[in-house]
Amino acid sequence: AQRVTQPEKLLSVFKGAPVELKCNYSYSGSPELFWYVQYSRQRLQLLLRHISRESIKGFTADLNKGETSFHLKKPFAQEEDSAMYYCALRKGRGSTLGRLYFGRGTQLTVWP
Amino acid sequence: NAGVTQTPKFQVLKTGQSMTLQCAQDMNHEYMSWYRQDPGMGLRLIHYSVGAGITDQGEVPNGYNVSRSTTEDFPLRLLSAAPSQTSVYFCASTKDRASYEQYFGPGTRLTVT
Repeated sequence: AQRVTQPEKLLSVFKGAPVELKCNYSYSGSPELFWYVQYSRQRLQLLLRHISRESIKGFTADLNKGETSFHLKKPFAQEEDSAMYYCALRKGRGSTLGRLYFGRGTQLTVWP
Repeated sequence: NAGVTQTPKFQVLKTGQSMTLQCAQDMNHEYMSWYRQDPGMGLRLIHYSVGAGITDQGEVPNGYNVSRSTTEDFPLRLLSAAPSQTSVYFCASTKDRASYEQYFGPGTRLTVT
């Protein structure tokens, strides 16, 4: 069975500090991993996916298959990064292709 | 394109009442889902549909029914509301099962007293 774990419910940092939101997963196959973000009073939206290996809004995330992790990092946090962040997994194949499995989310607060 | 729309935005129900949460998308997406969002529980999948006429259960389907008579609409029915169904409900759509990005609606905040 698949599982996505985000160990931190709440995370606070000061502006300009580095930030890392942790995500660990368990899945026996080859998953696709994503980070979704929900800013205050906005819709949940895709932030980035591991396959694209791109930086969005200064955030990066590397899939570490050995540690089964997909941590989200930003070297210098900004106040506008304050939001709820969800890590999500999608199976690469099978009858449940297309389903996303979400972690419980981490609420990030960046203080001025 | 309006994207994914949901109505109503807010709803208060009494225990035992029934209601339908509406979801529509105008992107011709095949795949649609309903989630509930609860503090500390993240997003949990209630039901999903891979196309018109095809629906399946997610991880928390009890107490909810869905149907998909058209590609555009995917209503969620609460048959007999319970306080445990107090939550924020999100509808989402994806172009098809092979696509990776889900587009979310703005949510419906439901309170059951």
